[in-house]
Amino acid sequence: EVQLVESGGGLVQPGGSLRLSCAASGFTVSSKYMSWVRQAPGRGLEWVSVIYSDDSTSSADSVKGRFTISRDNWKNTLNLQMNSLRAEDTAVYFCARAPMSSWYFDLWGRGTLVTVSS
Amino acid sequence: DIVMTQSPDSLAVSLGERAAINCKSSQSVLYSSNNKNYLAWYQQKPGQSPKLLIYWASTRESGVPDRFSGSGSGTDFTLTISSLQAEDVAVYFCQQYYLPPYTFGQGTKLEIK
Repeated sequence: EVQLVESGGGLVQPGGSLRLSCAASGFTVSSKYMSWVRQAPGRGLEWVSVIYSDDSTSSADSVKGRFTISRDNWKNTLNLQMNSLRAEDTAVYFCARAPMSSWYFDLWGRGTLVTVSS
Repeated sequence: DIVMTQSPDSLAVSLGERAAINCKSSQSVLYSSNNKNYLAWYQQKPGQSPKLLIYWASTRESGVPDRFSGSGSGTDFTLTISSLQAEDVAVYFCQQYYLPPYTFGQGTKLEIK
């Protein structure tokens, strides 16, 4: 079955770190563009980061310098290292897949909740 | 950044009636070299992740019922549900993928009247 399953969410204090993972099945993450999208409670969708086929990356200004997206081709997973977390980073984080050379998202995981609070 | 603005914020439509949701981008998302609009629509039901409905502004994703259609070009787009079904109650988002950051509209909540 083609799916994405996120893990690693939880409660973290402001200034802390967390690492999210997204396990892919039914396809290889190296063959697609992969991204993280987040949704604060009761709010809309916010694109966070992308990793391209050549492993170059791009991130939203709101997380630049704090979040790092990466890919582990051996484990077929997408990762998001989140440092210097703030209360405004509280959200459900979705892993999403995009077709090569396009940036609409044709497959989404169920999401993992990150709560930043003291 | 390209700002995506949807209207209305919420919409109540009777079963079997037509529903239309609008999306306006702050700059054109039409790429002249391939004449494609870099605009997608998603449906998100409560407690679920978003589901892709439409891409390239008007191409329906495989498995999406044909009552869903997308139209528009440049900066103005519309998602139309031709005959509303109970299972269409959801929040709908547009997204531009012309330029990073790949921004979304604020969402339109669709309910049954």
